[in-house]
Amino acid sequence: DAKTTQPPSMDCAEGRAANLPCNHSTISGNEYVYWYRQIHSQGPQYIIHGLKNNETNEMASLIITEDRKSSTLILPHATLRDTAVYYCIVGAGGTSYGKLTFGQGTILTVHP
Amino acid sequence: DAGVTQSPTHLIKTRGQQVTLRCSPISGHKSVSWYQQVLGQGPQFIFQYYEKEERGRGNFPDRFSARQFPNYSSELNVNALLLGDSALYLCASSLVAGDYGYTFGSGTRLTVV
Repeated sequence: DAKTTQPPSMDCAEGRAANLPCNHSTISGNEYVYWYRQIHSQGPQYIIHGLKNNETNEMASLIITEDRKSSTLILPHATLRDTAVYYCIVGAGGTSYGKLTFGQGTILTVHP
Repeated sequence: DAGVTQSPTHLIKTRGQQVTLRCSPISGHKSVSWYQQVLGQGPQFIFQYYEKEERGRGNFPDRFSARQFPNYSSELNVNALLLGDSALYLCASSLVAGDYGYTFGSGTRLTVV
């Protein structure tokens, strides 16, 4: 699986958009970009995933650059409950047999 | 609907002992994966089971083993416990083996003393 690079920490004001970047310059053609988050003392929570196109769901939006070497997770209106560690993961989708390779992630702190 | 349930939530074991952790997936989910999360690190993949067969294994010693039952629940066994096995053990379930989104339980916190 390709390696990802994320900033170790970010801050965001409540109500503002949180934009979390991820670099994955060695991503291969069949690899998806996944985002999970982990709130303290809980298991990771799936947020969103994408291959080439931008994706949006009720939780967030995922913007993938045209060359697929980087992506941004956008939380449009961050709340205090969005404070968590956010993991960007690259993997081969349906062939990965449950193996998600987590890195260190980004600690997002949302301030009042 | 109940999510992924893990038991026990916490336990303390002595070095050299054996431990069994249990996981019940979401109803209808046939795939179960196990992860180890050491304090301050991201989760590390241990095993995946699908339809009672091992489909993936991470870089863990043979002291770690697992199985999946006909009802798709799963057990993770760790023998000859070391201090370094102290961690949060997470179980994740998905509908099929190659799903795109996994649902994690809250984990079992294992402390080895």
